[in-house]
Amino acid sequence: DTAVSQTPKYLVTQMGNDKSIKCEQNLGHDTMYWYKQDSKKFLKIMFSYNNKELIINETVPNRFSPKSPDKAHLNLHINSLELGDSAVYFCASSPGPGTGNQPQHFGDGTRLSIL
Amino acid sequence: DQQVKQNSPSLSVQEGRISILNCDYTNSMFDYFLWYKKYPAEGPTFLISISSIKDKNEDGRFTVFLNKSAKHLSLHIVPSQPGDSAVYFCAASPYGSSNTGKLIFGQGTTLQVKP
Repeated sequence: DTAVSQTPKYLVTQMGNDKSIKCEQNLGHDTMYWYKQDSKKFLKIMFSYNNKELIINETVPNRFSPKSPDKAHLNLHINSLELGDSAVYFCASSPGPGTGNQPQHFGDGTRLSIL
Repeated sequence: DQQVKQNSPSLSVQEGRISILNCDYTNSMFDYFLWYKKYPAEGPTFLISISSIKDKNEDGRFTVFLNKSAKHLSLHIVPSQPGDSAVYFCAASPYGSSNTGKLIFGQGTTLQVKP
């Protein structure tokens, strides 16, 4: 019974296309996140939503737009894909926006490859 | 500028021995530190955390030590088991992030435990 699920698992597409990645959590958590793991393996926070409200918006190109239709879902839409967008994107959730005592639960990632 | 660094990309130990994974940070304004473990093709899973007001936290075979003066933390696994073979990420939470859940991750250390 998957707690944080992302679809698709793999995404191969052409430069310039628009694509979406979906994330759903069944843990009843209030907070959801999107991370990008680049070629150097660093996991970097992109966005976070708490109860459908945007609370973290890091320096990310505005081609990336998160959407949270409800607190169990956080989707990521990317316009005009570029070669540098190739990465693994992880969705995560936590009970609330705290840290040490509210660890984040991650999905298995979406590997995006731009041709 | 990477604020959390794991300078050893890989570590190999014998089953039953101790594994010590290290993490350094540059920003003294972190209030929580966490360790995550990641298997291939899966998302990171939370392992253990420590508050900046403590210097040690133990959970079964896993112990995290924090040396604030050296801006250094380490994860000890005793005894190491082959199932511990994974990538280990160190993460830190900046002060003031308790209401956002923001985490800054290191680039990971791949641990191999040989039978």
